[in-house]
Amino acid sequence: NAGVTQTPKFQVLKTGQSMTLQCAQDMNHEYMSWYRQDPGMGLRLIHYSVGAGITDQGEVPNGYNVSRSTTEDFPLRLLSAAPSQTSVYFCASSYPGGSNSVLHFGNGTRLTVT
Amino acid sequence: RKEVEQDPGPFNVPEGATVAFNCTYSNSASQSFFWYRQDCRKEPKLLMSVYSSGNEDGRFTAQLNRASQYISLLIRDSKLSDSATYLCVVNMKGYQKVTFGTGTKLQVIP
Repeated sequence: NAGVTQTPKFQVLKTGQSMTLQCAQDMNHEYMSWYRQDPGMGLRLIHYSVGAGITDQGEVPNGYNVSRSTTEDFPLRLLSAAPSQTSVYFCASSYPGGSNSVLHFGNGTRLTVT
Repeated sequence: RKEVEQDPGPFNVPEGATVAFNCTYSNSASQSFFWYRQDCRKEPKLLMSVYSSGNEDGRFTAQLNRASQYISLLIRDSKLSDSATYLCVVNMKGYQKVTFGTGTKLQVIP
């Protein structure tokens, strides 16, 4: 059982480049989300989705786009990378059990923007 | 004021010691509470949920104090393998308001 799979694990971009971080889950979870983690800031929600075709903004959405065409996949797109987007990115999913749902995280993507 | 606050530590404790972490939250409408554990350069993983009546899982005990708006995690008989960062997580309204604390780092020393 793969759980939540993120690719790539590491990425270096130059300012202005675009890229897509991939996230896939095989647990049939309806809820998926993207977080970034920076030192001293904790995990901050970028975008989330409560089902295929539905997405919404989190706390820090600027500079990122998402789509949810299938239940399994939730890619995160950086439109024009900036050094401020250097961070560790985590994708997470959960069952639609409301406030008691446990988040399952991917292994993370370590992104450096130069 | 941050929505969820934790003492960042680090807490350096000897093996076998008992250590406790607190986490405060600002929104009284918060509905559910969790402790996650994050090892260095790894993803967070659920340690335990926190129930209103308090709950225990082996050496770990979680408590919720709604009146004072804090949750706590007690670790008894600390092991070297307990060294990690412990994240307090508060869910305020549905999926989108899952808020993480910045974490408390624990280092258990031989």
